[in-house]
Amino acid sequence: DQQVKQNSPSLSVQEGRISILNCDYTNSMFDYFLWYKKYPAEGPTFLISISSIKDKNEDGRFTVFLNKSAKHLSLHIVPSQPGDSAVYFCAASRSNFGNEKLTFGTGTRLTIIP
Amino acid sequence: KAGVTQTPRYLIKTRGQQVTLSCSPISGHRSVSWYQQTPGQGLQFLFEYFSETQRNKGNFPGRFSGRQFSNSRSEMNVSTLELGDSALYLCASSAVSGTTDTQYFGPGTRLTVL
Repeated sequence: DQQVKQNSPSLSVQEGRISILNCDYTNSMFDYFLWYKKYPAEGPTFLISISSIKDKNEDGRFTVFLNKSAKHLSLHIVPSQPGDSAVYFCAASRSNFGNEKLTFGTGTRLTIIP
Repeated sequence: KAGVTQTPRYLIKTRGQQVTLSCSPISGHRSVSWYQQTPGQGLQFLFEYFSETQRNKGNFPGRFSGRQFSNSRSEMNVSTLELGDSALYLCASSAVSGTTDTQYFGPGTRLTVL
């Protein structure tokens, strides 16, 4: 039972354009969401997070949008750069439950075309 | 500050054998979580240790076990290896237990079971 879904396994975007990565979740108890970026042969690195009390969080070129009614979040990267080519994982948790584990999606491989 | 280190980086075993993987968290971090990454399944949570106590456990069989030492270093053991155990095993550390705190991942141990 995949509670966090990233339905696009891959995405190619032209350099300088906007990259939009999508993530859907099924567990309505999730209230904290994160995006991680992973390069080959490295562990995932934390990018940005959002709490369910917000619908948008911005950090430089990265913005995460949360639509609680649709149980959907998206990561926007503007402008896309070649160094953004990586696998992106979204993750979710029930933050108010203390030691809750993170539930990850299956990842989307983003390729930025120069 | 040194990052999360995992040893060994690569491992080849045969079915039925057992394996022990090691993770050294960032200095001062007391929480260590383990994840299994396989193609198509994303990162799946194995367990979390905090101050030598298992705080949370994922849905993996009892062949997967772990422990944490007083210096916060953690080991993961898989007994009676199966072909399906071939995966990248990642550990992540954070200062406190609870997933809203940023987790820092190590580079992973690539386990191949023949």
